[in-house]
Amino acid sequence: DTAVSQTPKYLVTQMGNDKSIKCEQNLGHDTMYWYKQDSKKFLKIMFSYNNKELIINETVPNRFSPKSPDKAHLNLHINSLELGDSAVYFCASSQDGVSYEQYFGPGTRLTVT
Amino acid sequence: EDKVVQSPLSLVVHEGDTVTLNCSYEVTNFRSLLWYKQEKKAPTFLFMLTSSGIEKKSGRLSSILDKKELSSILNITATQTGDSAIYLCAVGDSSYKLIFGSGTRLLVRP
Repeated sequence: DTAVSQTPKYLVTQMGNDKSIKCEQNLGHDTMYWYKQDSKKFLKIMFSYNNKELIINETVPNRFSPKSPDKAHLNLHINSLELGDSAVYFCASSQDGVSYEQYFGPGTRLTVT
Repeated sequence: EDKVVQSPLSLVVHEGDTVTLNCSYEVTNFRSLLWYKQEKKAPTFLFMLTSSGIEKKSGRLSSILDKKELSSILNITATQTGDSAIYLCAVGDSSYKLIFGSGTRLLVRP
């Protein structure tokens, strides 16, 4: 069974479009994260939710909006996509908001043309 | 600004060699240091080091945290082609946020 899953795996879209990426974890964890990995392989935290509550909100354009319908799901919606949004987006989860050990999903490669 | 720096950026070795990967950090509220292995997809957890656990070992992999030097090393002995991956170092701060380095790309040739 996949612990942390993301859909879609690949997403190619044009500038100006709106898109969503979905994430689900079946580990029973309380905390979920979104990371962006750029072309230089830097993984940067974007958001973190603990039991549906936003706890980390890094300096990210407000075109990015996370939504957590329940603690097993964390979705990322992106409005008005720009070329610079092209990256791999990883979802992750941890036992709770005070755990450092995080489990990552397979990533979603977003390409904006 | 908090930062994590890894070296070398890339490394090519032959099977059986021993490699040492380096990670140094400047993080204001350091709490832990983690190593991840990233193959084609998701980073997978290897080790976590803290003030109360500065050395970890699992099979051919081992890691040491030097809090005085603000650094860590990851050693891999008797490397195998399956060790080829990007190795990521991350530091956890007091807000339980992970700050990642850019990784070391290791290629093990047969």
